[in-house]
Amino acid sequence: KQEVTQIPAALSVPEGENLVLNCSFTDSAIYNLQWFRQDPGKGLTSLLLIQSSQREQTSGRLNASLDKSSGRSTLYIAASQPGDSATYLCAVRPRRYSGAGSYQLTFGKGTKLSVIP
Amino acid sequence: DGGITQSPKYLFRKEGQNVTLSCEQNLNHDAMYWYRQDPGQGLRLIYYSQIVNDFQKGDIAEGYSVSREKKESFPLTVTSAQKNPTAFYLCASSIVGLAGAARSYNEQFFGPGTRLTVL
Repeated sequence: KQEVTQIPAALSVPEGENLVLNCSFTDSAIYNLQWFRQDPGKGLTSLLLIQSSQREQTSGRLNASLDKSSGRSTLYIAASQPGDSATYLCAVRPRRYSGAGSYQLTFGKGTKLSVIP
Repeated sequence: DGGITQSPKYLFRKEGQNVTLSCEQNLNHDAMYWYRQDPGQGLRLIYYSQIVNDFQKGDIAEGYSVSREKKESFPLTVTSAQKNPTAFYLCASSIVGLAGAARSYNEQFFGPGTRLTVL
């Protein structure tokens, strides 16, 4: 059974610092990996999606990398801002081409980021 | 303005009562999903549907029921059989990739959530 782990559970950094959030998964047979942001009491906002054939994806100050063989992904946030404060979740989708579970995401518990002004 | 809407935002349930959470999307997505989120835990899949009139159980389907009569709508009923229903419920949707052809990335998009509390 796929397990997704995010370390640390919480992180506090001063404004302007570059930071890295980590995500690891136990089964490397994935179709893609998705990073989300969640503000308190809100739904999830999709940040980046990396296909299993890709090594990284970039959007603005965010860069996500994927090393499928080692079961790891990182989310790099450049020049952090107080508005980046939120919980960041990663989720993996299994490499199954049909049948039950082929679209099911397995989520980590998230990293709660606080950016201090 | 495309997106996913969930209602109500807050819902209170009495013991022994069934309640229904609404999820609507106008993204023309074929697949829809219901997740449950508890403090300190990752999201867990309750049910999902890849096409109208068809749905599959997720990891924690006991005590829940769904229907998919329309492409745009995927309501979730929390029945009295669900012993610990207090949680934050999230609905999501995605397009569905075509087997053997150009495959989509199936990125999932989420609604704003419904917080259910048992009184």
